[in-house]
Amino acid sequence: DQQVKQNSPSLSVQEGRISILNCDYTNSMFDYFLWYKKYPAEGPTFLISISSIKDKNEDGRFTVFLNKSAKHLSLHIVPSQPGDSAVYFCAASLTSGTYKYIFGTGTRLKVLA
Amino acid sequence: GAVVSQHPSRVICKSGTSVKIECRSLDFQATTMFWYRQFPKQSLMLMATSNEGSKATYEQGVEKDKFLINHASLTLSTLTVTSAHPEDSSFYICSARDLIRGYNEQFFGPGTRLTVL
Repeated sequence: DQQVKQNSPSLSVQEGRISILNCDYTNSMFDYFLWYKKYPAEGPTFLISISSIKDKNEDGRFTVFLNKSAKHLSLHIVPSQPGDSAVYFCAASLTSGTYKYIFGTGTRLKVLA
Repeated sequence: GAVVSQHPSRVICKSGTSVKIECRSLDFQATTMFWYRQFPKQSLMLMATSNEGSKATYEQGVEKDKFLINHASLTLSTLTVTSAHPEDSSFYICSARDLIRGYNEQFFGPGTRLTVL
């Protein structure tokens, strides 16, 4: 039972354009969401997070949008740069209890120069 | 920033041997550490949650006698894969939370590639 899904396994975007990565979840109890970037054979690097009390959080080129009614979040990267090419994972968490993360399946982003 | 290290980064062992992987938080105290494994082109799957000074909590389907976790101090957790078999070959990643500073984010180590021959 995959509680967090990223339905697009891969995405290609031209440099300078916007990259939009999507994530859906099934458990309405999740109240904290994060995006991580990962290169092969390395650990994930934290990018941006959002609490369920918000619907948008912005940090530089990265913006995360949360639609609780649709159980959907998205990561916007603008403008996209070749260095953004990596696998992006969304994660969902409960802030009560252990704070453990449930990761999505990942989306491989390729930014073309 | 919060730095987490793992050692070794890569290990190759024979079937039936045990392998220990260390996870250290270098500049903060981690009351909680997490162990994940990742198969090629798949997601990170949580194996267990490790709390300092207490027994680890394992996720469903993870054999606690096979994957021994010890969190003896606020900066060190170890994962021992006992009697390793080829199907245990995977990328193992730890993470840690800095609860004292109140960060919600987990900080991840660089991972350990285990290959069992």
